[in-house]
Amino acid sequence: EPEVTQTPSHQVTQMGQEVILRCVPISNHLYFYWYRQILGQKVEFLVSFYNNEISEKSEIFDDQFSVERPDGSNFTLKIRSTKLEDSAMYFCASSAEGSYNEQFFGPGTRLTVL
Amino acid sequence: AQSVTQLGSHVSVSEGALVLLRCNYSSSVPPYLFWYVQYPNQGLQLLLKYTTGATLVKGINGFEAEFKKSETSFHLTKPSAHMSDAAEYFCAVSVVNTGFQKLVFGTGTRLLVSP
Repeated sequence: EPEVTQTPSHQVTQMGQEVILRCVPISNHLYFYWYRQILGQKVEFLVSFYNNEISEKSEIFDDQFSVERPDGSNFTLKIRSTKLEDSAMYFCASSAEGSYNEQFFGPGTRLTVL
Repeated sequence: AQSVTQLGSHVSVSEGALVLLRCNYSSSVPPYLFWYVQYPNQGLQLLLKYTTGATLVKGINGFEAEFKKSETSFHLTKPSAHMSDAAEYFCAVSVVNTGFQKLVFGTGTRLLVSP
C-alpha cells in the first residue's frame, strides 16, 4: 500500500541553524501539506502546496519557513534559522484531490532545537 | 472559523468495554469531519470521515461515528475495546478555502485499554 515517508525521523539542531525536513508523498498525489504538533498540543496546519506554489499558509508559516518540490518526488520544508519554539513533530501529508478527500500522513519528523 | 473540541485528554476502558470519544465542532458552513488515529511512532491514519449523506459513518477496526447537527457533535464509538485500540485519537474538521482543504484538529484523546 502506498504511503507517505519522511526523513529523518528525528533531527536535533542548534538554535539559529537551518534544517530541511524531507517528505516523499504518494506518487500520484497532487496536493501536499505540512502540519506540526508541539509536544502536548494540537496538530496545527502550516502550509498547503499545489502546482508548484503555496495555496495557503498559516500565521505560523512566517518568512523563516519555505517549502519546495525540488523534483518529481520530494517535498521539503526548510526552516532558515531555527528557534527553540520550532521544536515539534512535523507531519507531511498528501492527497489526490484538494477538497474533501483523505489526506495521507507520514510518520513525522521530530525536530529538537537546542 | 471552524474549530474542534475533544473532551478528555485521556480515556481509560477495560478490554471489551464500550469506547466513547467525544468531539464537538464549530463551523459556519456544513462541516466535513474526520477521525484520525495515531499509534506510537506512526503517522496519522484516517479512521472515518463524514462528508454528506448518512449521518452514521463506519470506519476501520470496528469504529463508527455519528454526525449530529443539532448537538454539533461527531463522537467516535466502538462497542468492544481491544488492547490494540490503545492509541491517540484526533478529531478534525475540514476547512475549504478556494478549493484547497486544510484540517483543523482537536487536541487529541489518548485511549488506554486495560486487560
